[in-house]
Amino acid sequence: ELKVEQNPLFLSMQEGKNYTIYCNYSTTSDRLYWYRQDPGKSLESLFVLLSNGAVKQEGRLMASLDTKARLSTLHITAAVHDLSATYFCAVRRTGNQFYFGTGTSLTVIP
Amino acid sequence: KAGVTQTPRYLIKTRGQQVTLSCSPISGHRSVSWYQQTPGQGLQFLFEYFSETQRNKGNFPGRFSGRQFSNSRSEMNVSTLELGDSALYLCASSNGQGEAFFGQGTRLTVV
Repeated sequence: ELKVEQNPLFLSMQEGKNYTIYCNYSTTSDRLYWYRQDPGKSLESLFVLLSNGAVKQEGRLMASLDTKARLSTLHITAAVHDLSATYFCAVRRTGNQFYFGTGTSLTVIP
Repeated sequence: KAGVTQTPRYLIKTRGQQVTLSCSPISGHRSVSWYQQTPGQGLQFLFEYFSETQRNKGNFPGRFSGRQFSNSRSEMNVSTLELGDSALYLCASSNGQGEAFFGQGTRLTVV
């Protein structure tokens, strides 16, 4: 059974600080996804990581993928309040079947 | 370009009733997947339809079913509703590049 684990589950950080969210998955997958979800809203795609060593950056967020370790990270640089949300990683299996991590609820404190 | 449209946005049903949710994917996308999101279980895959055929199925009881029409619109049905079926149901539309775009979801409350 495919398992996707994220940590931490909850993250409270001050504005301006850096932090990393970790995503481990239990079986091989050709790509890794990161999504953002605001309360009561849908999932917004942040990154699609396609290969080992892939790194993508958008604003204060940077995602990386190590397929050998089955590990992806989402690094937050100099956090701002607008980044407060829940972040999910996901792996794709056959077809378009996505398995999601538990999510990391991020709160950025002014 | 229109996004993924789910209707209705909110539903309140009584235990034992059945419900049908609708999802219209992005134009040109042939794959539609359904997910259930609850605080306790997180996001769980229900099933995927591609070109009117169920291509993958998650670990949910047979009360959960779906179908896809020739225009790629999809519906999911839940029969004999239970309190535990209360959840946010999300539909995702996928293109040939394996990206998934999610709709706003349908919030189902079973009372």
